[in-house]
Amino acid sequence: AQKITQTQPGMFVQEKEAVTLDCTYDTSDPSYGLFWYKQPSSGEMIFLIYQGSYDQQNATEGRYSLNFQKARKSANLVISASQLGDSAMYFCAMILTGANSKLTFGKGITLSVRP
Amino acid sequence: NAGVTQTPKFRILKIGQSMTLQCAQDMNHNYMYWYRQDPGMGLKLIYYSVGAGITDKGEVPNGYNVSRSTTEDFPLRLELAAPSQTSVYFCASSYSAGRKGYTFGSGTRLTVV
Repeated sequence: AQKITQTQPGMFVQEKEAVTLDCTYDTSDPSYGLFWYKQPSSGEMIFLIYQGSYDQQNATEGRYSLNFQKARKSANLVISASQLGDSAMYFCAMILTGANSKLTFGKGITLSVRP
Repeated sequence: NAGVTQTPKFRILKIGQSMTLQCAQDMNHNYMYWYRQDPGMGLKLIYYSVGAGITDKGEVPNGYNVSRSTTEDFPLRLELAAPSQTSVYFCASSYSAGRKGYTFGSGTRLTVV
């Protein structure tokens, strides 16, 4: 079984500042992957970043980085230099990388970037 | 490439009616999924398929049926629509359970009245 928890209320950040979105997960399986997706008001799901459980380094993709703390079972998303276009819903998700694996989503966090 | 195509984009159904949500992908992906997203919530898995002829239930399968006769298509059938099925439905596909994640369709917004 796998579980993703996102408990932050709506987040606000000033344009050009950095923001951290929290995600904790629970699984007893040693092989898994963690994702972050962005969902703007238009509704589409946009893949941002991926972290594998065996990856030695934290994942980075442009302004996005994933602060992966395996012992604490956390996979926080850090967005640097926030832009107005970053205002959206952000979902953390996990997949077990065995057979018949499914992506399980957290409830999401709303981020609003202030000018 | 078109990616994952969902039709229709919007639909209003009356209670008790039935309909099929269409999903097609042109990336030769083995894995396909149907999720629903209720307002302010995350996505919940309805059904998934790991290849043509193979389907399995997800977290919330009641009231839905699927089939996978080809690699490309994965339709979702709603029989006897209920107000509780008002939601946004997303279809997704992936080549494998790997690091590239899923490719999502643009969603179908369904209202049952």
